[in-house]
Amino acid sequence: DTGVSQDPRHKITKRGQNVTFRCDPISEHNRLYWYRQTLGQGPEFLTYFQNEAQLEKSRLLSDRFSAERPKGSFSTLEIQHTEQGDSAMYLCASSRDRGPRRETQYFGPGTRLLVL
Amino acid sequence: LAKTTQPISMDSYEGQEVNITCSHNNIATNDYITWYQQFPSQGPRFIIQGYKTKVTNEVASLFIPADRKSSTLSLPRVSLSDTAVYYCLVGSGGGADGLTFGKGTHLIIQP
Repeated sequence: DTGVSQDPRHKITKRGQNVTFRCDPISEHNRLYWYRQTLGQGPEFLTYFQNEAQLEKSRLLSDRFSAERPKGSFSTLEIQHTEQGDSAMYLCASSRDRGPRRETQYFGPGTRLLVL
Repeated sequence: LAKTTQPISMDSYEGQEVNITCSHNNIATNDYITWYQQFPSQGPRFIIQGYKTKVTNEVASLFIPADRKSSTLSLPRVSLSDTAVYYCLVGSGGGADGLTFGKGTHLIIQP
């Protein structure tokens, strides 16, 4: 178990630029989540994948945000035309589908985005 | 999703036992109670999860009364490295619901 990894760990960009983040979940986990966390707040759910299917998107996920998980393994989160309000920590988590039993989500270290 | 209420901050000293209580009056029958720990610039880390009574692992204990409307995370003999934000979450599963975090409890351990 190598844990959830995210790349890059830090990203500084200028307003209007596009950015892409990558998440590699724990290998046997078929569920993958993206969250956003701003200073002093808890993480906020953005979107969720079951294998390669994106099954849920929060209303926080504007049209400028897109997430993919093409082969049901790693995932990417792209933000187009970044705005200063997009500055946050972007967290990825993964879990194993245990059916009716409550699953445990394991989080990566996050990608901290700063939009200038 | 059940809403949770927990203290914004707590202070304690090394070697003490720390108890953080979380209220969740609207908990549903299928809901579990889960606690996460988060250090600055890191992702949340799972600590413990329970449904009723008491759960103990190598890190903490979780006490849940019979009515399940609250829960208490107990950290035995804390050290400076336990300074972190602790989140109480209530829900029946991940899936499309994701996890709903509040602001958490900022625990500060002093020497």
